[in-house]
Amino acid sequence: NAGVTQTPKFQVLKTGQSMTLQCAQDMNHNSMYWYRQDPGMGLRLIYYSASEGTTDKGEVPNGYNVSRLNKREFSLRLESAAPSQTSVYFCASSKPGTSVYEQYFGPGTRLTVT
Amino acid sequence: EDQVTQSPEALRLQEGESSSLNCSYTVSGLRGLFWYRQDPGKGPEFLFTLYSAGEEKEKERLKATLTKKESFLHITAPKPEDSATYLCAVQAEGTYKYIFGTGTRLKVLA
Repeated sequence: NAGVTQTPKFQVLKTGQSMTLQCAQDMNHNSMYWYRQDPGMGLRLIYYSASEGTTDKGEVPNGYNVSRLNKREFSLRLESAAPSQTSVYFCASSKPGTSVYEQYFGPGTRLTVT
Repeated sequence: EDQVTQSPEALRLQEGESSSLNCSYTVSGLRGLFWYRQDPGKGPEFLFTLYSAGEEKEKERLKATLTKKESFLHITAPKPEDSATYLCAVQAEGTYKYIFGTGTRLKVLA
């Protein structure tokens, strides 16, 4: 049982390049989330998926797109990277979103945009 | 607007010196309050969920409490391995989303 896995662990992009961050969970959770973490800002929600087939914007969605590929996988895409997107990105999952369930986080992807 | 504020931002303790971390929240109907521990370079690790005022939960040297406006994470006789950033988050009624505070960086000196 690996929990929540993320790839890659580190990435350096040039301004304007695109990339997809991958996330997978093996806990049979319905809900999945993408956050970014910046110094002094805390964890901010980018997008979330309450269940397979649905996605919704969070607090900071501009410049990102998501795909809920199936129940296990939730990817985050940067179409045209900008230096402001330099951050640590975390994926999380939780049990059915209609109840109060804790979120379980992946190890993170550290992204630098030059 | 729903909001979570944690204090202090940073805390240095001597080994064995007990203290408390604070999480103040404003939310339109609390569904749950969560505490996480985050080590450098790693993702947050779940510690506790609290649902209603008056509730308490314990795990080893940590005890979390909840009132209608704030939560405390009490650390009793801390050890150096308790050094980490502690995050608080709330989930409001009618939403799937969690709102996180900016965390308290705890350093326990041997």
